[in-house]
Amino acid sequence: QMQLEESGGGVVQPGRSLRLSCAASKFTFNMYAMHWVRQAPGKGLEWVAIISEDGGDKSYADSVKGRFTISRDNSNNTLSLHMNSLRPEDTAIYYCARGDTMVNYYMDVWGKGTTVTVSS
Amino acid sequence: SYELTQPPSVSVSPGQTATITCSGDALPKKYAYWYQQRTGQAPVMVIYKDNQRPSGIPERFSGSSSGTTVTLTINGVQAEDEADYYCQSKDKSGPYAVFGGGTKLTVL
Repeated sequence: QMQLEESGGGVVQPGRSLRLSCAASKFTFNMYAMHWVRQAPGKGLEWVAIISEDGGDKSYADSVKGRFTISRDNSNNTLSLHMNSLRPEDTAIYYCARGDTMVNYYMDVWGKGTTVTVSS
Repeated sequence: SYELTQPPSVSVSPGQTATITCSGDALPKKYAYWYQQRTGQAPVMVIYKDNQRPSGIPERFSGSSSGTTVTLTINGVQAEDEADYYCQSKDKSGPYAVFGGGTKLTVL
């Protein structure tokens, strides 16, 4: 069964950086766009970013643009999210999710998530 | 920014039909997707491209579209269907995904 497993979450002070990773298995990773989606405590889902199959095309939510960077390593089936200048409002569960292409934005396979807490 | 609007909550008795709507002015031109999120779990896609059901999703889940509104229908609701449901689509004016605010389905 297709799997995604996030890691790298933790407690970080405001203004600091954190890198999340997502390991993909049991599907052909380089054939799919990939997303990051987050969920603040008690709140709904918020889309964060998407990266194309080859990593050449990326898009970000306005709330993270300029601070977060999505990347992928197709040789190691890994998705990453580099988060800089973290704010308390970035506190959330971060999910990686498999997409389709850069045309159809949907998420058909989800990881279990990793929790990021931004607090002093 | 583009918004998708869902009712905050829907309640039904077991065996009844639950209907959850999602409104957005780009929905006539953009596909909608639906996700189920049970408490403490990751989301699961239950409908894609307005009305398609992924493999493994029970037949009681269906989707439809009419104008600026898409609808998730659950026939013969079961206790296990109690969850938050989110619609999602693509922004009409840019390369962004958008989620609705979510609807909490309570099975009485």
